[in-house]
Amino acid sequence: DAGVTQSPTHLIKTRGQQVTLRCSPKSGHDTVSWYQQALGQGPQFIFQYYEEEERQRGNFPDRFSGHQFPNYSSELNVNALLLGDSALYLCASTPYRQGVVEQFFGPGTRLTVL
Amino acid sequence: GQNIDQPTEMTATEGAIVQINCTYQTSGFNGLFWYQQHAGEAPTFLSYNVLDGLEEKGRFSSFLSRSKGYSYLLLKELQMKDSASYLCAVRALLTGTASKLTFGTGTRLQVTL
Repeated sequence: DAGVTQSPTHLIKTRGQQVTLRCSPKSGHDTVSWYQQALGQGPQFIFQYYEEEERQRGNFPDRFSGHQFPNYSSELNVNALLLGDSALYLCASTPYRQGVVEQFFGPGTRLTVL
Repeated sequence: GQNIDQPTEMTATEGAIVQINCTYQTSGFNGLFWYQQHAGEAPTFLSYNVLDGLEEKGRFSSFLSRSKGYSYLLLKELQMKDSASYLCAVRALLTGTASKLTFGTGTRLQVTL
């Protein structure tokens, strides 16, 4: 059973560019959440997707957008990259139904903005 | 909003016991999680508490007091491989959605010989 997968593993961009990160949830999971983790910090919630819609959003600007596909995979897009966007981007999946506890995290994408 | 506090760093000796504390303030509460994160890797689930009391799982135990907004993670018989960051996270009380977690900054634990 494959867990949560993310691609690419590492990415280097320059300021002002745009980036797309990808996530495939664990088998049987239909809800995907994205987190940003700066060095030495805990993950910060960006947004959550279910049924191809953004359901919850954290305190991130509109430069951060996402998408969920019918197969539950998801993309995170960041426009007009800033140096401060350099971080580990984590995808987590879970089944939608209430009472399910654990979020499973993928290995992350390390984004460096120069 | 939610605010979560935990110590930045701790050091303990192999074979010893260490307790990592977490305090939280939240407008809604639907469970507290502990995750372990080794450097450069994804967080992995350790424990979940939604009711007051102690949950034990092998060498790891987690305690919750909702009235005090307080939790701790207890690690027994420390091993070198336990050197990692330990993240405390609170799940918001939301309806109709799956978990949204708010994380603390993490406690970096160094286990020494």
